[in-house]
Amino acid sequence: DIQMTQSPSSLSASVGDRVTITCQASQDISKSLNWYQQRPGKAPKILIHDASNLETGVPSRFSGSGSGTHFTFTIDSLQPEDFATYYCQHYDNFPRTFGQGTNLEIK
Amino acid sequence: EVQMVESGGGLVQPGRSLRLSCIVSGFTFGDYAMSWVRQAPGKGLEWVTSIRSNSYGGTTEYAASVKGRFTISRDDFKSIAFLQMNSLKSEDTGVYFCVRGSGTYRYWGQGTLVTVSS
Repeated sequence: DIQMTQSPSSLSASVGDRVTITCQASQDISKSLNWYQQRPGKAPKILIHDASNLETGVPSRFSGSGSGTHFTFTIDSLQPEDFATYYCQHYDNFPRTFGQGTNLEIK
Repeated sequence: EVQMVESGGGLVQPGRSLRLSCIVSGFTFGDYAMSWVRQAPGKGLEWVTSIRSNSYGGTTEYAASVKGRFTISRDDFKSIAFLQMNSLKSEDTGVYFCVRGSGTYRYWGQGTLVTVSS
């Protein structure tokens, strides 16, 4: 099984800050990686697909990069609604696995 | 508008069974794979199972933690996905989300809570 190691597990930041989350795959997954945002009590929402492609309707302050085993997710100029939990997820093969999540909190 | 509504969750004793349903509208159900993803209380997301469309044989995949106990199925005429859960364990407790697709999950239901406890 492919393991996804996401870091950090939690992050404190202020409105306007730039934050970066990383995800490391235990083997080469090419660009088969998505990023999701989950607010408390809600279903996750996909933000980035195929490692770097912004989903339709998602603000351009969100971005993703990487391929192979190392991936990054960045939010430029944090907005109040961005404080949530973020997950990476691979779909290179089965079983699909998610990273442990990053809880982004207001400083 | 895509809508996915899960039902069937509840409190169940260990070892018993439960069947979840996911009624879908807003897209051609038969054209898509369907999956279930769960989330234990206060924990992260865990992929549970997927079923391909009948165009791809309707074949299924399961997480090791549920293989042999859970069964995913679909009714393309009624646009419903099912998750039959047998021999439930306390560690199966959580919110179960129905999602469209087998790898990239663009549409999610609101989730249904399953609590396995005596």
